[in-house]
Amino acid sequence: QTVVTQEPSFSVSPGGTVTLTCGLSSGSVSTSYYPSWYQQTPGQAPRTLIYSTNTRSSGVPDRFSGSILGNKAALTITGAQADDESDYYCVLYMGSGSVVFGGGTKLTVL
Amino acid sequence: QLQLQESGPGLVKPSETLSLTCTVSGGSISSSSYYWGWIRQPPGKGLEWIGSIYYSGSTYYNPSLKSRVTISVDTSKNQFSLKLSSVTAADTAVYYCASLLYYYDSSGLPAGYFDYWGQGTLVTVSS
Repeated sequence: QTVVTQEPSFSVSPGGTVTLTCGLSSGSVSTSYYPSWYQQTPGQAPRTLIYSTNTRSSGVPDRFSGSILGNKAALTITGAQADDESDYYCVLYMGSGSVVFGGGTKLTVL
Repeated sequence: QLQLQESGPGLVKPSETLSLTCTVSGGSISSSSYYWGWIRQPPGKGLEWIGSIYYSGSTYYNPSLKSRVTISVDTSKNQFSLKLSSVTAADTAVYYCASLLYYYDSSGLPAGYFDYWGQGTLVTVSS
């Protein structure tokens, strides 16, 4: 079974830069997995931030960016703001209608 | 812009079958550009993909839930549904439906991501 790994938690100072990562318990994440990233605040449905590794969804500020760093997918927030404090999930596309979610990263801005 | 809305009982007894429906508006569930997915989130925990369906009826399930899950589609009603059998307290969660946009990248290879989500519905398993 495919296990997608994310940091359980991370903190960043307001205005700072943070990079969250998304890896595989066995193997490397590449663009072939078309990693996507979702932001979720408490009590809300997830919001799509990034798809196909580095394409921002409509209306997403350009302080959010996606990439591949080494053997992991990465979500970088540049100039973090207070309302970026959320849970962030990566999803890897496995083909047809199949996907795998990462465990999520709780980001604190303080 | 698609809109998705979950509906169904908020309380299910242990060992019974959880049934939810997702109604799609703003677009056709028969679109070749989409798979339709169910995702759940237990209280205080992360998101878990349950499964997806194509308008043709092809289904894809999370291996960990496959033995208990059935997803179906009703194109006449623009709806798709989830059934999860033999539920226990561990199945208590917010259940989301979402659209998985299916496209081809610049190399002609298939790709997908969730672009629209329902608001979610809490289902509690309790006697």
